Amino acid sequence: GENVEQHPSTLSVQEGDSAVIKCTYSDSASNYFPWYKQELGKGPQLIIDIRSNVGEKKDQRIAVTLNKTAKHFSLHITETQPEDSAVYFCAASKSVNTGFQKLVFGTGTRLLVSP
Amino acid sequence: DADVTQTPRNRITKTGKRIMLECSQTKGHDRMYWYRQDPGLGLRLIYYSFDVKDINKGEISDGYSVSRQAQAKFSLSLESAIPNQTALYFCATSGSATNEKLFFGSGTQLSVL
Repeated sequence: GENVEQHPSTLSVQEGDSAVIKCTYSDSASNYFPWYKQELGKGPQLIIDIRSNVGEKKDQRIAVTLNKTAKHFSLHITETQPEDSAVYFCAASKSVNTGFQKLVFGTGTRLLVSP
Repeated sequence: DADVTQTPRNRITKTGKRIMLECSQTKGHDRMYWYRQDPGLGLRLIYYSFDVKDINKGEISDGYSVSRQAQAKFSLSLESAIPNQTALYFCATSGSATNEKLFFGSGTQLSVL
């Protein structure tokens, strides 16, 4: 089955710096890659996603890139702010006959943005 | 009010006890899920349900059971809790289209002593 590895497990940056979180996946048939942000005491929330027919997607200060050949995808956060501090999870899934795409999550990255 | 509500938020219990975690949603979604989160292991799927009559095992269903009482309610039971079931449990919902995003509840922190 699919296996998703995520690095680093923790990341500390200064406010205003950029942050990059990387994930690799094992199943070349995977075609959907979402990123979820989990703030303290809350459930994860989708912040951005990308499909396999796209190499890059941006939404204001966050962007995701996908390299299908290397089977890795990354989350980029520019001009980080203290409110970006959270745990970030990547995930991967592929279409199955039932139409249900079972997400496999990475192990999470704790991002700390210091003022 | 939260769209996906989990109760209780915290629970401490003893080994061998039966525990039920409850989830209700107001999003009108057909699909509901139970995940478990452990430090360093991410989120793992326990059970999922497409509708009231369709319940499926996830990757770590052993030791757990579920009940879909209505479209809006999905409960998770631990028939005989054991310490390695200590974890943060999340309920989630989604629509039925492909690649629908998950909407998570705030979680239930369960400790089994």
